[in-house]
Amino acid sequence: QVQLVESGGGVVQPGRSLRLSCAASGFTFSSYALLWVRQAPGKGLEWVALISYDGSNKYYADSVKGRFTISRDNSRNTLFLQVNSLRADDTAVYYCARSLPSFDSWGQGTLVTVSS
Amino acid sequence: SYELTQPPSVSVSPGQTASITCSGDKLGEKYACWYQQKPGQSPVLVIYQDTKRPSGIPERFSGSNSGNTATLTISGTQAMDEADYYCQAWDSSTVVFGGGTKLTVL
Repeated sequence: QVQLVESGGGVVQPGRSLRLSCAASGFTFSSYALLWVRQAPGKGLEWVALISYDGSNKYYADSVKGRFTISRDNSRNTLFLQVNSLRADDTAVYYCARSLPSFDSWGQGTLVTVSS
Repeated sequence: SYELTQPPSVSVSPGQTASITCSGDKLGEKYACWYQQKPGQSPVLVIYQDTKRPSGIPERFSGSNSGNTATLTISGTQAMDEADYYCQAWDSSTVVFGGGTKLTVL
């Protein structure tokens, strides 16, 4: 079955960087667009970034444009999110999801806490 | 930027019908999806392409979309349906979520 497993979260100081990963299995990874969605504590879902099946097209929410970079390695079935210049309001659970274009499969999320 | 608006909360008695709305400019011209999220869990797709149910989603979940409003309807609501529900649509190549609706079954 489809499985998405995020990793790379943790506690980080403002201004620092992290690289989030999402390991996929159970489907043909290279055939699907993928995305990152985050959820701040007690808040709703916020789309972060989307990447096409082959990595040629990338789209970002205005709130992260210029600071976050989405990428993928189809040979390793892995999705990435490089998050730079972190701010307190980036504190959230970060989910990866598969796009059909509806989002039928989600990972369990990885928590990023930005705090000094 | 495109926005989707949901009521913050909806209450329903067990066995009754719950309706959750999602409003956006000409939303009926786009496809709407709905996600259910229970506390501490990841979101689950319950409706896609306005009206379709993924495999494993109970028949009591249905959807519609017309004009400026998409609606998620849960018939014969059960206690297990208590959760947050989010609508979602695409605006060009960007993803838009509604603010979420907390469904309380009481």
